[in-house]
Amino acid sequence: ETGVTQTPRHLVMGMTNKKSLKCEQHLGHNAMYWYKQSAKKPLELMFVYNFKEQTENNSVPSRFSPECPNSSHLFLHLHTLQPEDSALYLCASSLSVLDQETQYFGPGTRLLVL
Amino acid sequence: AQTVTQSQPEMSVQEAETVTLSCTYDTSESDYYLFWYKQPPSRQMILVIRQEAYKQQNATENRFSVNFQKAAKSFSLKISDSQLGDAAMYFCAYRGSGGSNYKLTFGKGTLLTVNP
Repeated sequence: ETGVTQTPRHLVMGMTNKKSLKCEQHLGHNAMYWYKQSAKKPLELMFVYNFKEQTENNSVPSRFSPECPNSSHLFLHLHTLQPEDSALYLCASSLSVLDQETQYFGPGTRLLVL
Repeated sequence: AQTVTQSQPEMSVQEAETVTLSCTYDTSESDYYLFWYKQPPSRQMILVIRQEAYKQQNATENRFSVNFQKAAKSFSLKISDSQLGDAAMYFCAYRGSGGSNYKLTFGKGTLLTVNP
């Protein structure tokens, strides 16, 4: 275990549903990240939060809405998703966003959009 | 933009043997960080090893070592005495330096199978 947990581990939702993914880190880190992992593609960075402030939105569609209420928790709110949004969504954290800090990953939420 | 290329989608190795996974990258920066991450089936992605570009010495972590060739922009991972638990997807990743350059750029991964 890396100290980063994600819930749920699996999620199936229809295109009209609203759901949320949760990430929690127990490492005392200040930076948190959302990544999308699709089959046959490299991991794609979606959002970055540093000390609860969003520092990057990597051109992610508005149907994905992140929330970071504190440095330990990160949410990804999902609304009217498309089938192509089906993927493994990974959360990561690091001590800070400084370049020398290693990122630690959670187990991911496997999302299927029907 | 930086790119990371893993030219081997799949590799296999016999238990107790040695295997090398390839990774090349493209960058115009002189200082950066390179990582190998391991993602076992249905399990968390974990850091295997990291290398700072300014260090000439190759990083080593137990059975895992890298061959970092800065001029060739190559960063291969060698796994010695392979074990069944080494079976996983391995990702090479690049991270720039300078300021808050926190974006990790990943390769597509290499699926390693370990045969008993």
